[in-house]
Amino acid sequence: DARVTQTPRHKVTEMGQEVTMRCQPILGHNTVFWYRQTMMQGLELLAYFRNRAPLDDSGMPKDRFSAEMPDATLATLKIQPSEPRDSAVYFCASASLAGAYNEQFFGPGTRLTVL
Amino acid sequence: KNEVEQSPQNLTAQEGEFITINCSYSVGISALHWLQQHPGGGIVSLFMLSSGKKKHGRLIATINIQEKHSSLHITASHPRDSAVYICALRTSGSRLTFGEGTQLTVNP
Repeated sequence: DARVTQTPRHKVTEMGQEVTMRCQPILGHNTVFWYRQTMMQGLELLAYFRNRAPLDDSGMPKDRFSAEMPDATLATLKIQPSEPRDSAVYFCASASLAGAYNEQFFGPGTRLTVL
Repeated sequence: KNEVEQSPQNLTAQEGEFITINCSYSVGISALHWLQQHPGGGIVSLFMLSSGKKKHGRLIATINIQEKHSSLHITASHPRDSAVYICALRTSGSRLTFGEGTQLTVNP
């Protein structure tokens, strides 16, 4: 049963602390997306990678956010230092480039609360 | 955010009713996605369309590229269909732009 996994599922931290969220894409998928969902803004794309290379991170605040794919089975999203306005659910999704139009498979999300 | 608009924002129906959710957009797209988000928060991709119509069980999605409009239909609705339905546009590359979602509640 192939699925995207994310850890942790929930994270509560204090303002100023570093937060690292991890995502394991579906085996064989070469495109990984990071999304953020808040009540105010809805779903927003933060960044995405293809074949581990960042293709678009224009949605991500550069001063505190960073996204990497150290290998094909792991994507990370870091926030340092975290702020209360970063409180949101962060979703990872993966897709295969096998066809021209590619379905994205979403992970369960990491619910982040920054106090 | 104005690139894609969904209607209605909220929809309440009785079990068994036929439901339509609409998505209008103003930009060129390569594909349109319909997503379902359940109360627990998980997101599932329902359809990916570039033209015509797709059907999966009681769900039907249509798209009219010329009119820049897509609809998601649910036949014989059931309380378990209660969820937020999100329209998303694939614009440049693999980038998705999301609508604000339609909250559907189906009462028994």
